[in-house]
Amino acid sequence: NAGVMQNPRHLVRRRGQEARLRCSPMKGHSHVYWYRQLPEEGLKFMVYLQKENIIDESGMPKERFSAEFPKEGPSILRIQQVVRGDSAAYFCASSPGPGYTGELFFGEGSRLTVL
Amino acid sequence: AQSVTQLDSQVPVFEEAPVELRCNYSSSVSVYLFWYVQYPNQGLQLLLKYLSGSTLVKGINGFEAEFNKSQTSFHLRKPSVHISDTAEYFCAVSDPGYGGATNKLIFGTGTLLAVQP
Repeated sequence: NAGVMQNPRHLVRRRGQEARLRCSPMKGHSHVYWYRQLPEEGLKFMVYLQKENIIDESGMPKERFSAEFPKEGPSILRIQQVVRGDSAAYFCASSPGPGYTGELFFGEGSRLTVL
Repeated sequence: AQSVTQLDSQVPVFEEAPVELRCNYSSSVSVYLFWYVQYPNQGLQLLLKYLSGSTLVKGINGFEAEFNKSQTSFHLRKPSVHISDTAEYFCAVSDPGYGGATNKLIFGTGTLLAVQP
């Protein structure tokens, strides 16, 4: 399967713990986008990354949330000291490099439940 | 900033009936428009997209959409729905920030299409 791979698909954490969500983009894609979907809501943009560079983090909460996309390995969305309001589905999407105009390719999502 | 409005949060329809899901966008520049479908507990799958050219765009599963620049709309239609079309449908517009070097999408809040037998 050469699609966008996200893991874990389901993650349960207690309040105060850390959550790490991983995303491997499609083969040949160098851009990664993270979105959050809260219950009964649409997808909200969080952050856009290229390899080793954050391009746009305008949708990231100011505290506890961080993202990276290292030279090697998957992109990581990290949530520290989780709270119940962080319970949501987190989707990763990827696209090819600069100059591409088209759709984003989405993964199956990681569903975080905070107890 | 760009935004997308999906006026209907839920659209119930009987099987084999036609359906239209509405989408309006706000933008002062040229845009790219997309419709995605999300089945329960799954990711988003592209239905169709408008980048340029013909304003009537055909997608997968018999869906089509028409780009109307004067009304800033991109409504999704299907002449005859099936039970299997029951899903959440999202309209999205591209954000041409960074000189067009990004594919960041802004999504509407979604419309649940509920097809009844």
